[in-house]
Amino acid sequence: EAQVTQNPRYLITVTGKKLTVTCSQNMNHEYMSWYRQDPGLGLRQIYYSMNVEVTDKGDVPEGYKVSRKEKRNFPLILESPSPNQTSLYFCASRTTGDYGYTFGSGTRLTVV
Amino acid sequence: QKEVEQDPGPLSVPEGAIVSLNCTYSNSAFQYFMWYRQYSRKGPELLMYTYSSGNKEDGRFTAQVDKSSKYISLFIRDSQPSDSATYLCATHPSGNTPLVFGKGTRLSVIA
Repeated sequence: EAQVTQNPRYLITVTGKKLTVTCSQNMNHEYMSWYRQDPGLGLRQIYYSMNVEVTDKGDVPEGYKVSRKEKRNFPLILESPSPNQTSLYFCASRTTGDYGYTFGSGTRLTVV
Repeated sequence: QKEVEQDPGPLSVPEGAIVSLNCTYSNSAFQYFMWYRQYSRKGPELLMYTYSSGNKEDGRFTAQVDKSSKYISLFIRDSQPSDSATYLCATHPSGNTPLVFGKGTRLSVIA
């Protein structure tokens, strides 16, 4: 089944403890992206990648890092999480010439 | 001004009603327009996609883009309780640019 897989689905962590949210897609898509979704603010892009080793900042990149060493994987790294990073995170991917993203099921992150 | 404005609702309609969901956008360079549906605790799923102005129909759903007024619409005919979800409009100028989303409209269809 074609899909974007995120792990974990739920995560509670403490301020300052480094964490990684993994994202993997099995559709050989070139484009991958991370969004966060907050009530009243909607979906906001954190980082995106147009291909392996090519990443760029979205609207809200502060406090996040990404890497794209392989085409299928696009992990989101929070080196020192803070409570304002408590949010619902989505990974998404699409292929060249197809403008609709396929989204993962989301990761609910709580930083206390 | 936000790039894409969308009334958050909530919108509540009886089963069988015609639903109209709308967005406005500010950047005339936007050419690709999408509607996503998001059920509770799920990721958004692509519902409709249109390029430039015009209408596109898929079953009970019709997407409409009016570039002259920078207005995007989604119509749902014969709405069903299973249509209850949040609907997000999204757009971007070209394939190499990030998507810009509206904040979403929460729809409830009451049986």
